[in-house]
Amino acid sequence: GAGVSQTPSNKVTEKGKYVELRCDPISGHTALYWYRQSLGQGPEFLIYFQGTGAADDSGLPNDRFFAVRPEGSVSTLKIQRTERGDSAVYLCASSSGQKNTEAFFGQGTRLTVV
Amino acid sequence: AQKVTQAQTEISVVEKEDVTLDCVYETRDTTYYLFWYKQPPSGELVFLIRRNSFDEQNEISGRYSWNFQKSTSSFNFTITASQVVDSAVYFCALKGSNYQLIWGAGTKLIIKP
Repeated sequence: GAGVSQTPSNKVTEKGKYVELRCDPISGHTALYWYRQSLGQGPEFLIYFQGTGAADDSGLPNDRFFAVRPEGSVSTLKIQRTERGDSAVYLCASSSGQKNTEAFFGQGTRLTVV
Repeated sequence: AQKVTQAQTEISVVEKEDVTLDCVYETRDTTYYLFWYKQPPSGELVFLIRRNSFDEQNEISGRYSWNFQKSTSSFNFTITASQVVDSAVYFCALKGSNYQLIWGAGTKLIIKP
């Protein structure tokens, strides 16, 4: 597609439920990033993929969070046993993979855990 | 450790005024990259500019200009003749030896008609 696409745009879930957030990067971009943004703050790094592998997952807050990118394109961020503190906007970005290039962001998925 | 500081939480100016958004960064990396992004009310982060640490040349793009000074570890962003459509939250970010972007807290810019 022309840009980074994230679905759903909004997700409301009950505490304790499992959720999946999807990211479709710009075609041809080998690098994919997940960030989380809380209200009034800058984005917070979660995980970075280069191709199919997670090159850096140091930002995942705990083992309830997991992300995959099985074919090196679409990625899914999975959150188990959601907690109210997981409520945030989850942003996905992609880039060409070179360190000196900018990342392009999707519109985000607003996750609300009630 | 890497850090980006945007000391101005919110700036409000009247349309057509010039406004400068400050960004100060900390890094021990000798090679690094600095970015500015705009986040309008719609929420999508829009890329504005990237600067490499070895290129201190200032850049101008229309009403936007950027002043990169390694001596003061600053990468400030100026909008001349501001317009209401410039209203947004602006983020400065740093990428060092790894691929993570380290973000400032953002500056909310309000342009009043």
